[in-house]
Amino acid sequence: EIVLTQSPATLSLSPGERVTLSCRASQNIRSYLAWYQQKPGQAPRLLIYDASNRASGIPARFSGSGSGTDFTLSISSLEPEDLAVYYCQQRNTWPRTFGQGTRVEIK
Amino acid sequence: EVQLVESGGGLVQPGGSLRLSCAASGFPFSIYGMSWVRQAPGKGLEWVSTIRGGSGDIYYADSVKGRFTISRDNSKNTLHLQMNSLRADDTALYYCTKGPGGVGATQLREDYFDYWGQGTLVTVSS
Repeated sequence: EIVLTQSPATLSLSPGERVTLSCRASQNIRSYLAWYQQKPGQAPRLLIYDASNRASGIPARFSGSGSGTDFTLSISSLEPEDLAVYYCQQRNTWPRTFGQGTRVEIK
Repeated sequence: EVQLVESGGGLVQPGGSLRLSCAASGFPFSIYGMSWVRQAPGKGLEWVSTIRGGSGDIYYADSVKGRFTISRDNSKNTLHLQMNSLRADDTALYYCTKGPGGVGATQLREDYFDYWGQGTLVTVSS
C-alpha cells in the first residue's frame, strides 16, 4: 500500500499570502496524484488531477506540481473562502489511498 | 449536471447489517466507475470500494474485504454497498463518488473521484 504523508498538519496564514502544501508518497507514483478541497460541512471536491491539471471551475490561484514521490499544492494568494482541509490521493496502484490532510486556517 | 444522492445510513448495533444506496443522474452511469469513500467523525478520507463501469471489476480496501459488497444496478442508475458484520470503527459518513475510470472515462480527471455526493451517516453502536 502506498502511504501519502502530508505536511504540515495545519497552516495558519493571512489573506493574500502564498500557501504551499506538501504531499510525499512512499514510492514512485509518477504523476498520478490528485488534490481535493473539503470545506467545513461539505463533501470534498476535486481541485487538481494528474499532479498539475486544474479541474473545471477551479480558480487559477490553485496550482499543483511534482512527480515521482514529492508533490506540492500552491495557492498563490490566499482568500478567506480557501478555509478548508486539503487531501492528496494517488491512483497509481490499488488500494487507492489518501493523505491525512492539511488544514488551512485564515488568520 | 451530475448528481449523486446517498441513502440508507442509520444507527446499527455491532455485528449488524446495513445497505447503502446512491442514486446517480446527469451522466451515462453504466460506463463509469463508481466508488464509496468514508470519513470517520473528525478524521480523514478512506477509500472503501470501487466497481468499474463496463468490466464490472471490483476492488475493496482490506479493512472491509469479506464484510462489504459493492454492486450496481445500471437499469436504475443506482450504486449499492451491502455492509455486514459492522464494527464500531465502521462508523463514518459514507460518500458515493463517480470514478475512477470505466470504459466511458475519456478525460484524465475521470481517473479520480471527480464528483461526490453529500454522504450518508452510518453509526455502529450498542
